[in-house]
Amino acid sequence: KQEVTQIPAALSVPEGENLVLNCSFTDSAIYNLQWFRQDPGKGLTSLLLIQSSQREQTSGRLNASLDKSSGRSTLYIAASQPGDSATYLCVGRTDKLIFGTGTRLQVFP
Amino acid sequence: GAGVSQSPSNKVTEKGKDVELRCDPISGHTALYWYRQSLGQGLEFLIYFQGNSAPDKSGLPSDRFSAERTGGSVSTLTIQRTQQEDSAVYLCASSGGGTWAQYFGPGTRLTVL
Repeated sequence: KQEVTQIPAALSVPEGENLVLNCSFTDSAIYNLQWFRQDPGKGLTSLLLIQSSQREQTSGRLNASLDKSSGRSTLYIAASQPGDSATYLCVGRTDKLIFGTGTRLQVFP
Repeated sequence: GAGVSQSPSNKVTEKGKDVELRCDPISGHTALYWYRQSLGQGLEFLIYFQGNSAPDKSGLPSDRFSAERTGGSVSTLTIQRTQQEDSAVYLCASSGGGTWAQYFGPGTRLTVL
């Protein structure tokens, strides 16, 4: 059974810090992996999508990597800001979507 | 109910026809979301309902797409004049009960020929 685990479950940091959020999955047979942020009361916002043939994607201060052989993906947030406060989800796709457990991030001024 | 349900589970239609997709959220959940996932693509947000507030339609890809939520419960996503690029799995989610964690339905697989 495919499981997606995120570590840490919660993180609280002062602004300006560089952060690494981790996502691990048990089955390397994923088609793609996607990182989202979820803000209270809003829909999921897609951040980065990594196809199984890719190793990383970058958008602004965000960088996501994918290592299928080790079953891991990381989301790197550079120079964190209070506006980055949200829950971050990684979602793996096999023949269905497998949602990670989420990391709740708080960035304080 | 035990979870979010969607119907139909599969829908095959011809290009140019209109389709309606239905979502029954978890009883008591005030928020309802529609997403779609196209082949080889990630999850894409479409629209969000929260209680009696005006829905957030910012994710709808064109004016052929519309959604309603009747009585704060069941929602219908309507696609008019379907195109082949509309082929995707359409997912519905709901949240509520003091948490904004989203619970997803099984999806409707739409194929436009």
